[in-house]
Amino acid sequence: QVQLVESGGDVVQPGRSLRLSCAVSGFTFSSYGMHWVRQAPGKGLEWVAVISYDGSNKYYADSVKGRFTISRDNSKNTMYLQMNSLRDEDTAVYFCVKDLEACTRSSCYFALGQDWGQGTLVTVSS
Amino acid sequence: SYELTQPPSVSVSPGQTARITCSGDALPEKYARWYRQMSGQAPVLVIYDDSKRPSGIPERFSGSSSGTMATLTINGAQVEDEADYYCYSTDSSGIHRGVFGGGTKLTVL
Repeated sequence: QVQLVESGGDVVQPGRSLRLSCAVSGFTFSSYGMHWVRQAPGKGLEWVAVISYDGSNKYYADSVKGRFTISRDNSKNTMYLQMNSLRDEDTAVYFCVKDLEACTRSSCYFALGQDWGQGTLVTVSS
Repeated sequence: SYELTQPPSVSVSPGQTARITCSGDALPEKYARWYRQMSGQAPVLVIYDDSKRPSGIPERFSGSSSGTMATLTINGAQVEDEADYYCYSTDSSGIHRGVFGGGTKLTVL
């Protein structure tokens, strides 16, 4: 059974840093891309970042590019999100999501799948 | 930046057909996926690659896509289908950035 468990959420002041973790089990972690998605209180879903199966490719939403870094340790079956220079608007529940590749006739690309964690809450407040 | 547009709300009576639309310029090239989210819970994938249904999702859920619009259809909507629904896709720039629509609140009453 696929399991994804986020941790590391906390209350942090603006400008500070925080690292989230996503520990997975039930599938071959090193074979799949992984995503972070967030949801601010009372708001919609926002895609944050994706990392390829081997960590060689990473892509970010414009809202976090240059401040957040996605990474993974396949020996520990764990993905991370290093969040620096945090802002009030980064307050959200952060979900990790297993990739479910989408393939058209011309190409394949990263896409969110059906396996999500339950999320971890990050609150940025002074 | 790339955007997907959904109506904020859709209302139907139980047993009626609910249709939720999602428009985006890259949808002719990129698949749409649909997620259902109940309050306080993680989203659940109900349709992927425009029209495929994951195992365990009731047959009353279906999806389609034509041009720049994708549609989630719930035939015979039930009270328990009341939730927020989000479309998701990827921009066509080759940068592999995901994007969600703003979400649609489906009311069944």
